[in-house]
Amino acid sequence: SQQGEEDPQALSIQEGENATMNCSYKTSINNLQWYRQNSGRGLVHLILIRSNEREKHSGRLRVTLDTSKKSSSLLITASRAADTASYFCATTASGTYKYIFGTGTRLKVLA
Amino acid sequence: EAGVVQSPRYKIIEKKQPVAFWCNPISGHNTLYWYRQNLGQGPELLIRYENEEAVDDSQLPKDRFSAERLKGVDSTLKIQPAELGDSAVYLCASGKDRGRRETQYFGPGTRLLVL
Repeated sequence: SQQGEEDPQALSIQEGENATMNCSYKTSINNLQWYRQNSGRGLVHLILIRSNEREKHSGRLRVTLDTSKKSSSLLITASRAADTASYFCATTASGTYKYIFGTGTRLKVLA
Repeated sequence: EAGVVQSPRYKIIEKKQPVAFWCNPISGHNTLYWYRQNLGQGPELLIRYENEEAVDDSQLPKDRFSAERLKGVDSTLKIQPAELGDSAVYLCASGKDRGRRETQYFGPGTRLLVL
């Protein structure tokens, strides 16, 4: 079974706009990671946020974590056509080493 | 640094046939994972290795799936016999930081189609 659910399932925006996608999960976590998957490729790690952190930045990426709501958001600023991909959140439940992936958000950035 | 290598990239077989996938992790990575990803879904863990030991195989369908990681490096995942529902992408990932903040590095996957 999958721990997380991303929202929206699909998102289409114009190049230069910001893209926001959300992840909700069910149990207490150690940390949460976001991964990107281009069509026909493996997943690429983007960013990790620990359960005691609330916000983290990496380049054009901004991740927030609200453990009280069991949710996280990924913001991609000034999107580019190359950002077109599926984005997945992955969590490790407290006390485990097992990563559980969400269902993904398919982002399409139109040039 | 070479990434995670998987082969074959694509495989088409008829149901009831056996199939095997191979993974070569990044050099120095002691943890290795096999995931199955169905169309439109996120990856689901099948088995996790620390060195040559399978430390979590609770979601591996052991009646038909088997895996091994000889000498704690390369790994193979086998399905025998394959069923129609096994059609999916099989992803291998490796990592080196034992613990709950480990980053996983994924291979390109093997796309399996069972007819």
